[in-house]
Amino acid sequence: DIVMTQSPSSLAVSAGETVTINCKSSQSLLYSGNQKNYLAWYQQKPGQSPKLLIYWASTRQSGVPDRFIGSGSGTDFTLTISSVQAEDLAIYYCQQYYDTPNTFGAGTKLELK
Amino acid sequence: QIQLVQSGPELKKPGESVKISCKASGYTFTDYAMHWVKQAPGKGLKWMGWINTYTGKPTYADDFKGRFVFSLEASASTANLQISNLKNEDTATYFCARSTRVYNWFAYWGQGTLVTVSS
Repeated sequence: DIVMTQSPSSLAVSAGETVTINCKSSQSLLYSGNQKNYLAWYQQKPGQSPKLLIYWASTRQSGVPDRFIGSGSGTDFTLTISSVQAEDLAIYYCQQYYDTPNTFGAGTKLELK
Repeated sequence: QIQLVQSGPELKKPGESVKISCKASGYTFTDYAMHWVKQAPGKGLKWMGWINTYTGKPTYADDFKGRFVFSLEASASTANLQISNLKNEDTATYFCARSTRVYNWFAYWGQGTLVTVSS
């Protein structure tokens, strides 16, 4: 199975800050056939279902604010949230869909400082 | 609009069975696979597997082989998850989630069904 390792596990931020969440996969998620990285990011708020933010490592889902930026390739990926707002406080998960079983990172909890 | 609506919370005893439903609307049910994801209390997301809504063929992740069954009521655009011989560690919220036609990212999720197993 592909292991997804997220860091940090939690992050305390102030509104307006820029934050970076890291996700590392145990094997490359870059498929040579289409040069795409099979990596998605989700946001989950308490008591809610996960919400898709990013797929193909950097493609923003429709309706997601442009302060959410996905980057990276191969085994190392980053979710950057610029100018964090109070509504962004949540747990963020990365997910690989390169192979089954699809696997998620353990999550990064974004909290208020 | 696309919606996945799951059945309500369940309280069960160890050894009992439970069946959770996920009713889809707003799209052609048989065009997209349905996946199931487990989230234990305070824990992360774990992919359980998926069901081909056109053929009805289920595929299970290794940890979910044996007591877990994915099924369909295609005429009702509904996917089901049945768990038999419930154990305390099955206590979790179970989500259904729809993938794209080809790739397994999940833009649409059910609201989740909490299953509590307690004697």
